[in-house]
Amino acid sequence: GNSVTQMEGPVTLSEEAFLTINCTYTATGYPSLFWYVQYPGEGLQLLLKATKADDKGSNKGFEATYRKETTSFHLEKGSVQVSDSAVYFCALTSGTYKYIFGTGTRLKVLA
Amino acid sequence: DADVTQTPRNRITKTGKRIMLECSQTKGHDRMYWYRQDPGLGLRLIYYSFDVKDINKGEISDGYSVSRQAQAKFSLSLESAIPNQTALYFCATSDLGTRDNEQFFGPGTRLTVL
Repeated sequence: GNSVTQMEGPVTLSEEAFLTINCTYTATGYPSLFWYVQYPGEGLQLLLKATKADDKGSNKGFEATYRKETTSFHLEKGSVQVSDSAVYFCALTSGTYKYIFGTGTRLKVLA
Repeated sequence: DADVTQTPRNRITKTGKRIMLECSQTKGHDRMYWYRQDPGLGLRLIYYSFDVKDINKGEISDGYSVSRQAQAKFSLSLESAIPNQTALYFCATSDLGTRDNEQFFGPGTRLTVL
């Protein structure tokens, strides 16, 4: 069945450091891939998405590229800020309503 | 105003009590979902509904029931709460017409069962 594996956290970085959060997936067909972010005390909100191979999703300085050959969708940001501290979820859908979420990666950015 | 609202935001209850969590949305979406979030497990789907007359079980529906009272309202009930139902619960909605089914989440209800 479909699944999403993302790196365990927490990830602790200093402000302006480079961020990578790894995400790999297993899916039949041609899934759409997502990164959601959960700020403290809030629900999840869509950060970026990619719906086909080689697409790059981007938002708020974050980027992720849909790599079909490596079944990956790693999240990157060149210079993190304290305000980026949150939990990040990788997720996929594959032709249906149903989301498969990764377990989440907590990011803490220190000033 | 928030598009997806949940009440209550926090609830502490005792084993065996009946609890209802409510979700309302103003996005006009047909699809609504209930998830629970546990540390290290991500989000798991409890129930989902594609319209008022459609209710479907998700991957962890045992011990839960739902009611879709209107397009905008979707309630989750725990008939007899138990401690391992302590979790953060999220309601979400999505639009029938979008291919990639982006979901919009409420702020969550933190439930503690003693």
